[in-house]
Order: sequence, then structure tokens, then C-alpha cells
Amino acid sequence: RKEVEQDPGPFNVPEGATVAFNCTYSNSASQSFFWYRQDCRKEPKLLMSVYSSGNEDGRFTAQLNRASQYISLLIRDSKLSDSATYLCVVPERGGYNKLIFGAGTRLAVHP
Amino acid sequence: DADVTQTPRNRITKTGKRIMLECSQTKGHDRMYWYRQDPGLGLRLIYYSFDVKDINKGEISDGYSVSRQAQAKFSLSLESAIPNQTALYFCATSEPPTSPQGDTQYFGPGTRLTVL
Repeated sequence: RKEVEQDPGPFNVPEGATVAFNCTYSNSASQSFFWYRQDCRKEPKLLMSVYSSGNEDGRFTAQLNRASQYISLLIRDSKLSDSATYLCVVPERGGYNKLIFGAGTRLAVHP
Repeated sequence: DADVTQTPRNRITKTGKRIMLECSQTKGHDRMYWYRQDPGLGLRLIYYSFDVKDINKGEISDGYSVSRQAQAKFSLSLESAIPNQTALYFCATSEPPTSPQGDTQYFGPGTRLTVL
């Protein structure tokens, strides 16, 4: 099993839709989790951090299910500008600031 | 100006050539990283450095070497480039994990390397 697994998509949704991505991780000891956003041919940038059961920032909600070892990202009222690849990231076993990146889920929002 | 810069942004080279990718940062971070990204795969860690005198191998260090010339500079070298090193390379920096933003990594814009 990969350490971090994501559905690669693409998810094609109309503007205004609600879309959710899931990410599963193998390290049951992980305490923190992250969603990074990567636009085409650009660098990844931190979108949200999740340290407890979840986090909400405007239209974006991240939820953590420790029992099932998955993290979800919910985007409400999708905008065209939300089109990007969303990377699920988990610190490596043992920490020390090394991150394990999922391959990403691609979202395409259309008019 | 960008906090993390990479040069060159694009490079095409031939098999067997020596290539150096450079990374500079103005964020004052001690920790720096080199990753490569391939289609369908997550970012994979090549090397990382937690301060000027510290160099560590990552997941895929074979065929690569690094140099930490100063706190602000971290270079990645391909001693003899081969086609399967064609990828997008990112440099990143971070604060120590004990700081409030310690888990966040800040990425440079990337270098697209093609080895023919």
C-alpha cells in the first residue's frame, strides 16, 4: 500500500458544484495532514493544514477520519479558479519535517 | 521578488552531461529540500539539508548530488544525466518543526529538465 493514495481524477464539475476528494494514508501515527494546491506547471502551495478532526476556511473544508485513516477535502460553490491539482500530504513516519506527497487529484471546473 | 528562486527554469541537455540546478531563498530558513515530480507520481524527495553542515539522502538520491553553499543556497547536480532524469524539479524550504509554521514547505517555481 502506498503511504499516501489519492484518486487521480480528473473531477469535472460545473461552477457552483460541491466536490469532495479523499486521501488515504498508511501511517496511523500521523498527527498532522496537509492539502497543497498545484496549478498547471507551477509550484505546490499550502492550501490547508489539519491537526485535529478538521479545518474550515471559507469554501474549503478538510476533515480527518483517524479510524479509517483518510482525509477529505470538500470544496463548496466551485469557481473556475479552483481548477488545479490538489495534493494530499502527510509527514513521514518519525516526522523531522519530511513530507510524503500524494500524486494529486485533478479538478476541472467548467462554466 | 519571489522568496524561493530556481535557475534555470528550463533546461534541455544530452545524456552524459553534467547539470547543476540552483536554488536560492530569502526566507531565512535553515531547512531546504530538492524534489522531483513525474506525471502520475507524487513529489519525491531527492536530498534535504537541515542546516549548512547537514546533508541527507532522500528517497531517490542515486544519480544526484547536492551542495549547501550557504544558508540561502542549495544546489542539485546530475553528474551524468540520463533520460529517466527528465522531470520537473522543485526546491523547497521550511522552518524547524517546532515553529508555528514548521510543517509548511515553500516551493520554488521549478526547473523543467529534459535529458535527450
